[in-house]
Amino acid sequence: NAGVTQTPKFQVLKTGQSMTLQCAQDMNHEYMSWYRQDPGMGLRLIHYSVGAGITDQGEVPNGYNVSRSTTEDFPLRLLSAAPSQTSVYFCASRISGFGTDTQYFGPGTRLTVL
Amino acid sequence: GENVEQHPSTLSVQEGDSAVIKCTYSDSASNYFPWYKQELGKRPQLIIDIRSNVGEKKDQRIAVTLNKTAKHFSLHITETQPEDSAVYFCAAQGSFSGGYNKLIFGAGTRLAVHP
Repeated sequence: NAGVTQTPKFQVLKTGQSMTLQCAQDMNHEYMSWYRQDPGMGLRLIHYSVGAGITDQGEVPNGYNVSRSTTEDFPLRLLSAAPSQTSVYFCASRISGFGTDTQYFGPGTRLTVL
Repeated sequence: GENVEQHPSTLSVQEGDSAVIKCTYSDSASNYFPWYKQELGKRPQLIIDIRSNVGEKKDQRIAVTLNKTAKHFSLHITETQPEDSAVYFCAAQGSFSGGYNKLIFGAGTRLAVHP
């Protein structure tokens, strides 16, 4: 299994541009989520999904959209990039939205917004 | 809201010494507490976790203790080695409306082990 994969690894955007960060997992996990990591602030939850067709907001959802049309994929869309969205983005998955299963992270996308 | 506080933010030890990182959480309903290690430029990876029905768990040089009454848990690394140098994150399980579980992370501890 490839586990959790993310593309691209690096991205530079100009203010106002839009883009989609891709995330996929091949473990048949129901639960997927997106985090952003900023220095000194740990990992903050942006959006999550408990299954295909079901998404909801986390702690810091403003400026981001998600959808979940398949079990495998959970893309994160930046609608109009702002410098405050410069961060490292991690996708994560685990078996289900319930329980205490191990949560696995993707390799991350480092985004810079100029 | 729910939060997890982690201390210290940085920790410097000599090789062979022990390192202790402490976390406190606010949600008394939390029952799962994982620890993640993140090396520079890499993804966070689970190193150990503990559930609320036990007070301590060990895995070779790593141990975690949990005090549910005080709502705090700690990571203990003994006989530290340079390859233990990384950022360590604690997390506590919270819950969304609808009953789904989420992980709330501490801000991280940067551990440096000097030869």
